[in-house]
Parts: sequence; C-alpha cells; structure tokens
Amino acid sequence: EVQLLESGGGLIQPGGSLRLSCVASGFTFSNHAMSWVRQAPGKGLEWVSAISGSGDSTYYADSVKGRFTISRDNSKNTLFLQMDSLRAEDTAVYYCARDMVAARSRASNFDYWGQGTLVTVSS
Amino acid sequence: DIQMTQSPSSLSASVGDRVTITCRASQSISNYLNWYQHKPGKAPKPLIYGASSLQSGVPSRFSGSGSGTDFTLTISSLQPEDFATYYCQQSYSLPLTFGGGTKVEIK
Repeated sequence: EVQLLESGGGLIQPGGSLRLSCVASGFTFSNHAMSWVRQAPGKGLEWVSAISGSGDSTYYADSVKGRFTISRDNSKNTLFLQMDSLRAEDTAVYYCARDMVAARSRASNFDYWGQGTLVTVSS
Repeated sequence: DIQMTQSPSSLSASVGDRVTITCRASQSISNYLNWYQHKPGKAPKPLIYGASSLQSGVPSRFSGSGSGTDFTLTISSLQPEDFATYYCQQSYSLPLTFGGGTKVEIK
C-alpha cells in the first residue's frame, strides 16, 4: 500500500525557517517524481515545487523561488522541503504528492497524496 | 502562466443528480488536464488524468471530457460521499496550476 507521511510543520515566526519531510512507503521511491502542494486557509490548491525521481531536476513556483529548496534522499525514501525566509502568506497545509512519472513531463499527474502538515507563520 | 478557471465555484445538488463541472484553460493544453476531489482534513483524491482516463479505483459514475481549452467533469448520479470540492489541474507546462475549485454541497 502506497503511503506518504508528512511531518515538520508548526508555528514559526516571519523570517524563520522550517524543514518539512515526507516519508514514502509501498513503492519504489526513485521511480517517481514528487511534488509539494499547499492549501492556504480558505483557499484552493497551489503547486509549490517538484523534483524528479533521480533528484537531478527541481522546479519551483515563482512565489517560493529562492526561499524554498526541494530535495530527496532515495536511500531513505524521504522527500524534503527546506523553507527559509518564511512569510505570513506561506501559512498553509503542505501536502506531498507522488507523480505517476519519474521525470517532469506533460503526462504527469498526482496519483497519491499525503495527509498534509500545517505550517503557520505568525509572530 | 496558464490560468485555470472553474465554474461554478459552488453548487447545490441532491443525491442522484447529474452534476457537471467546467474547467477552462487560458491557452490550449491539449488533454493534459487532471481532476481531484478534496474533502476537509483529508488528502486530495485523484479522479481523472489525461482529461478522460479514470484513476484506478474511482467509481465509473465519474467521467471527464474535453481537449484544448475546455474540459468537463461529470458525476452521473451524485452519491452522499461525493460532496466535496473538486479541482482541475493542468500539467501542460510549469508552473503547474489548479483551478479555483468547485464546492459541491447538499441541497
């Protein structure tokens, strides 16, 4: 059974840093690209970042480029999101999502999602 | 960036109703369109990929159609467990973008 379990969320002051983790199980982790998708309170879904199965390619939304870093450790089946210079508008539930494909392509779609971890940026 | 516009933003329907949700892209995205169902406090659930392919395990009352810029998600006979918010998402180009969502409520 495919499972994705996020952790690392919490309350953080503006300007602070936080590292999210997503532990995957039930599939060959390196065979799938992964993404982070967030949902701010009362808002819709927003794609944040993606990484290829090998980890060689990374992609970011403009809203987080230069502040967030996505990475993965395929030996530990774990996806990360390092979030620096956090702003109030980064407050959201962050989901990790598995892509059906190994590398970014037009055929990609998210076929499994985690339950999410809440990040609150507030003083 | 490709903008995805869903309509309506919300609707009220009864169990057994046929429900149609529309998603329009700001430019042609061929058939690179996915649909998800989301309930509060839960992980989003994938429904449709490639505009019309049903994800494994999704009931056949869900169907998707369209290509280019206009797409629809249809629920042929609404069930109690279908009350949720539905999102379309394009995978044609980065940044990946979602529609604003359509909340399906009980009438």
